[in-house]
Amino acid sequence: GESVGLHLPTLSVQEGDNSIINCAYSNSASDYFIWYKQESGKGPQFIIDIRSNMDKRQGQRVTVLLNKTVKHLSLQIAATQPGDSAVYFCAEKEEAAGNKLTFGGGTRVLVKP
Amino acid sequence: DTAVSQTPKYLVTQMGNDKSIKCEQNLGHDTMYWYKQDSKKFLKIMFSYNNKELIINETVPNRFSPKSPDKAHLNLHINSLELGDSAVYFCASSDDLGPNEKLFFGSGTQLSVL
Repeated sequence: GESVGLHLPTLSVQEGDNSIINCAYSNSASDYFIWYKQESGKGPQFIIDIRSNMDKRQGQRVTVLLNKTVKHLSLQIAATQPGDSAVYFCAEKEEAAGNKLTFGGGTRVLVKP
Repeated sequence: DTAVSQTPKYLVTQMGNDKSIKCEQNLGHDTMYWYKQDSKKFLKIMFSYNNKELIINETVPNRFSPKSPDKAHLNLHINSLELGDSAVYFCASSDDLGPNEKLFFGSGTQLSVL
């Protein structure tokens, strides 16, 4: 089976509560950010994106917040469900530096029933 | 089903062997990628092809050779496999090299080198 990320930060959340996953990015010139969700045994799946000219974007049960001043990105999941259990990655890209998406280290979310 | 599909899903092999991983996408995308995910879940880009042409080549040992016979396929051949090559390899594709590019990933190939 899939290898386990033993050193991943983990967020344990009660089912029905809201989750907040944080990401600190490194490149102040990054202008595009994405959140991906990776379930066990699967590839990363796109959740939501945001451009640097915005500070908030909402999707279905998810909200991404961008604070460029402190280079911080967060993903909020409303009413967390068991199916939200996964590893979540933020990724950043600087358009002027070429077409390369750089991924952060990932956060494991465990939803408790 | 429309998807990015890669084979095999699991690959167990001895050090020194040569192996290939295949990837196909039927999404009509022009750009394909190989990413490596280590045991700590860190995802790192290896290669990118756009319309069969190499556009990104990260610092990857030359034992790794990607090949794109057409824009729907990007295969990864690895020579002289080493223990450190053990990882999960993900193929991905996208249809937009622009500022709002979104990657669609395959389900991964877990490579174990013994």
